[in-house]
Amino acid sequence: RKEVEQDPGPFNVPEGATVAFNCTYSNSASQSFFWYRQDCRKEPKLLMSVYSSGNEDGRFTAQLNRASQYISLLIRDSKLSDSATYLCVVNIISNNDMRFGAGTRLTVKP
Amino acid sequence: NAGVTQTPKFRVLKTGQSMTLLCAQDMNHEYMYWYRQDPGMGLRLIHYSVGEGTTAKGEVPDGYNVSRLKKQNFLLGLESAAPSQTSVYFCASTPGGDEQYFGPGTRLTVT
Repeated sequence: RKEVEQDPGPFNVPEGATVAFNCTYSNSASQSFFWYRQDCRKEPKLLMSVYSSGNEDGRFTAQLNRASQYISLLIRDSKLSDSATYLCVVNIISNNDMRFGAGTRLTVKP
Repeated sequence: NAGVTQTPKFRVLKTGQSMTLLCAQDMNHEYMYWYRQDPGMGLRLIHYSVGEGTTAKGEVPDGYNVSRLKKQNFLLGLESAAPSQTSVYFCASTPGGDEQYFGPGTRLTVT
């Protein structure tokens, strides 16, 4: 079983749609959680951290459920510019390394 | 600030050849990482460093060596390249624990 699992998609949605991505992680020692965005043939960039209480940044909402070892990302009012691959990332602090999911690909169409 | 830079951007090697990938960061970060990214696999950690002069193995270290002689540089070496090492290599750095800043990547093909 992979340490971090994501639905690979692709998700094809029209502009203005709401889309949700899910991610599960296997190591209960994971301490911090992130969503990264990766454009085609580019490096990953941090989209947002994920906090236990849930957090929102504009059209983006992230949720964490430690009991179920589950992370989610909700994108509201999708824009064409949201088209990218979204990577779920967990950090096991004691090991000083981050584990990445394989990514979920999103295409927003006009 | 240039952030994180990687040299070279592209390289083609023949099986058995060696090469070194250079990662440099000008943000005074303590932690540096080398990842490889393959289709459908996500990023996998090869080696990392928690400070100058230190290195540690990640998830997929076999076939690679690293050195961190200066805080700003993290070198990844392939002593005898194999086709299985064809990949995109990303370097990243962080002050500690949170956001990682990535370089633009090196596309390596081993024939």
